[in-house]
Amino acid sequence: QKEVEQDPGPLSVPEGAIVSLNCTYSNSAFQYFMWYRQYSRKGPELLMYTYSSGNKEDGRFTAQVDKSSKYISLFIRDSQPSDSATYLCAMQPSGYSTLTFGKGTMLLVSP
Amino acid sequence: GAGVSQTPSNKVTEKGKYVELRCDPISGHTALYWYRQSLGQGPEFLIYFQGTGAADDSGLPNDRFFAVRPEGSVSTLKIQRTERGDSAVYLCASSAGQLDTQYFGPGTRLTVL
Repeated sequence: QKEVEQDPGPLSVPEGAIVSLNCTYSNSAFQYFMWYRQYSRKGPELLMYTYSSGNKEDGRFTAQVDKSSKYISLFIRDSQPSDSATYLCAMQPSGYSTLTFGKGTMLLVSP
Repeated sequence: GAGVSQTPSNKVTEKGKYVELRCDPISGHTALYWYRQSLGQGPEFLIYFQGTGAADDSGLPNDRFFAVRPEGSVSTLKIQRTERGDSAVYLCASSAGQLDTQYFGPGTRLTVL
């Protein structure tokens, strides 16, 4: 079993839909949780960064962390075709620099 | 300022050859990371530099892989005796400090024939 599990998709939704993306993990040492967006043939760009459990909102994006269930989510409201990309969850133990990524979920938003 | 840049953007080589991949981090960033992303997978950690020294090289798959950062800025990832299994996108990231946000470059797509 990999440390971070993420459904690769693809996930296809119509424009305007609410999208839910999820990751589960097994390492209880993870304290920092991130979501990166990666367009085709580009490097990952940071979308959301949260510490420990709780919610964080930024515009159309909401990140949730449930450490008791070892489950994190990213919600995208009013999805747009420009949101079509691969979404990678990443995690980091406290005091360690290196990131452990999920496989990424490919999202396709159709107009 | 400018983001992380990587050169070349694409590299095609033959099995057994030696390759060098270059990373220019964001100016002033002391931490630099190399990751490898195979098709359909997330990035996997290779090596992390704090300044000029490799603080963690536990992700390097074997001794054919080596990286340097001699002046604490530009880094070069070196792969000897390339194998077809080395084909992947090699990503570089930098951060202001050890535990700060990592900013990624566009990657170098390496194809070993």
